[in-house]
Amino acid sequence: QVHLVQSGAEVKKPGSSVRVSCKASGGTFSSYAISWVRQAPGQGLEWMGGIIPLFGTVNYAQKFQGRVTITADKSTITAYMELSSLRSEDTAVYYCAREQVADGYLDYWGQGTLVTVSS
Amino acid sequence: SSELTQDPAVSVALGQTVRITCQGDSLRSYFGNWYQQKPGQAPVLVIYGKNNRPSGIPDRFSGSSSGNTASLTITGAQAEDEADYYCNSRDSSGNHVVFGGGTKLTVL
Repeated sequence: QVHLVQSGAEVKKPGSSVRVSCKASGGTFSSYAISWVRQAPGQGLEWMGGIIPLFGTVNYAQKFQGRVTITADKSTITAYMELSSLRSEDTAVYYCAREQVADGYLDYWGQGTLVTVSS
Repeated sequence: SSELTQDPAVSVALGQTVRITCQGDSLRSYFGNWYQQKPGQAPVLVIYGKNNRPSGIPDRFSGSSSGNTASLTITGAQAEDEADYYCNSRDSSGNHVVFGGGTKLTVL
């Protein structure tokens, strides 16, 4: 059984950065990516980007290009998402999920990490 | 704006059948996938690919597609099916993942 375990909640000041981790276990990731999806309070799901840990190949949503950095440690199958220049609108729950690259479905999700941006 | 369009809200009487739709150009090339999300919980994949259910998803959930529209059908809706439902697929370029805006399903 695949498990994705994320790091804990964060409170950040505007203008700062946040780094969220996602450790995967219990399954194969050789043909999968790890995607990051966020959900602002009362809003829908928003894909931010993803990485194929085996190859380090990264894709970012245009909206977040230049502000988000996704990396992975393939030896531990841990992915990281760093978002910089935080503003109040970045307050959201951030999820990681395993993504089947060909069809774009996300079959296993982490528990979510609440990031609160407040002065 | 999302490249996939969903109705914001749909309701269904208990035990009846409901269809939730998702429209977008990328659905002509890629299958739509469906997620159920209940308050305070992470999304759960309920339909993927042509019409596949992950282990543990009841067979009252099914998927279909035609042209630029993907549909999720719940046959015999139960009270526990009340949730937000999101569709997703790859975008038209194939490089990115996109989500619909979500549909809030109310079971009456």
